Amino acid sequence: SQKIEQNSEALNIQEGKTATLTCNYTNYSPAYLQWYRQDPGRGPVFLLLIRENEKEKRKERLKVTFDTTLKQSLFHITASQPADSATYLCALQTGTDKLIFGTGTRLQVFP
Amino acid sequence: DGGITQSPKYLFRKEGQNVTLSCEQNLNHDAMYWYRQDPGQGLRLIYYSQIVNDFQKGDIAEGYSVSREKKESFPLTVTSAQKNPTAFYLCASSLTRDRVGDTEAFFGQGTRLTVV
Repeated sequence: SQKIEQNSEALNIQEGKTATLTCNYTNYSPAYLQWYRQDPGRGPVFLLLIRENEKEKRKERLKVTFDTTLKQSLFHITASQPADSATYLCALQTGTDKLIFGTGTRLQVFP
Repeated sequence: DGGITQSPKYLFRKEGQNVTLSCEQNLNHDAMYWYRQDPGQGLRLIYYSQIVNDFQKGDIAEGYSVSREKKESFPLTVTSAQKNPTAFYLCASSLTRDRVGDTEAFFGQGTRLTVV
């Protein structure tokens, strides 16, 4: 069956460290993969999109990698801050027109 | 301001009643989506629409219905056939109906539905 897996356990890290979140997928061959941030009680907000021909994409303190051989994307936040605490979701396109989300990983950055 | 608006923010429903959640966007987006989110869970796709007067079932469509009579509107009806409707409902839109993974999705603020 098709699955998108993210670590369901919360990730707790100290301020200033790099947070790394993982998104694994099976039985898909997506051309694009997206990352979103969701705060409690709010809708997700788009962060980054990476295409299959891009190995890495950066935006300020954020970096995303996309390994189509491993079927995995890694999401990094460098110099993390308490304000980065949230749930992070990966999403990909299936078929021609559906956008499917992973279960999300909650990140907690403590001072 | 351009954006996507869901209403109401909180909704209470008695068992056996149908209820309709509103979703409106003024972004001129072709694609619209409805997702359901349960506590501590990810987003599960209920229905999606790529064009006016056309929509497709997602992974958990049973007990739900939608319409897309206008480009800017995609209301979701939670029917009495939905066995466990209490959840957080999110509506989203994206620009293109082709290559949807290549454009970002914009989300509303969600509607929290509680069955009492």
